[in-house]
Amino acid sequence: DAGVIQSPRHEVTEMGQEVTLRCKPISGHDYLFWYRQTMMRGLELLIYFNNNVPIDDSGMPEDRFSAKMPNASFSTLKIQPSEPRDSAVYFCASSSQSRRETQYFGPGTRLLVL
Amino acid sequence: TQLLEQSPQFLSIQEGENLTVYCNSSSVFSSLQWYRQEPGEGPVLLVTVVTGGEVKKLKRLTFQFGDARKDSSLHITAAQTGDTGLYLCAARSTGGGNKLTFGTGTQLKVEL
Repeated sequence: DAGVIQSPRHEVTEMGQEVTLRCKPISGHDYLFWYRQTMMRGLELLIYFNNNVPIDDSGMPEDRFSAKMPNASFSTLKIQPSEPRDSAVYFCASSSQSRRETQYFGPGTRLLVL
Repeated sequence: TQLLEQSPQFLSIQEGENLTVYCNSSSVFSSLQWYRQEPGEGPVLLVTVVTGGEVKKLKRLTFQFGDARKDSSLHITAAQTGDTGLYLCAARSTGGGNKLTFGTGTQLKVEL
């Protein structure tokens, strides 16, 4: 079975540009999570969805960040405009309703904003 | 915001040695998990502990949840080079929901 798929794996952009990160959760999973990992702050939850509905977005840094889940098999995290401090590894994870305590992480997108 | 402090932050040992990593908080949690993360990959769940005082073993790894459900430890016996990685604890609050708070991490390096 395919795991969580994220694209791109690496992204280099310039300050002020729009960045879109993509995630395909494991088929049949009801929960989708977006995390950010940095050396300074560790792994932080940004937002999570249940059945495509955002449940908790308290971790979203500011209005420059937005996340959508138009259907059960796709989610995006958008940063507009991007800033150098947004440089981090962004992870997507998913879990099922029946085993929601087990989150499966994707390989991450390494973002560098110059 | 709940804070999960892990110690030590870095650990470098020789193969065959034993080690213990700690995860501490002032908050009570409904459950606690341990993950291992290797370079260039996402974290992978190792174990979930739910009951205060619970002990779980996974081959050479022993996990314990504190009696008050505020802390946890991970003990590795006879470490191997394949144990190298970032170890993260993560906790779910007692208030419900499906939100995980991750610890600060312990970077383990096991050398020959």
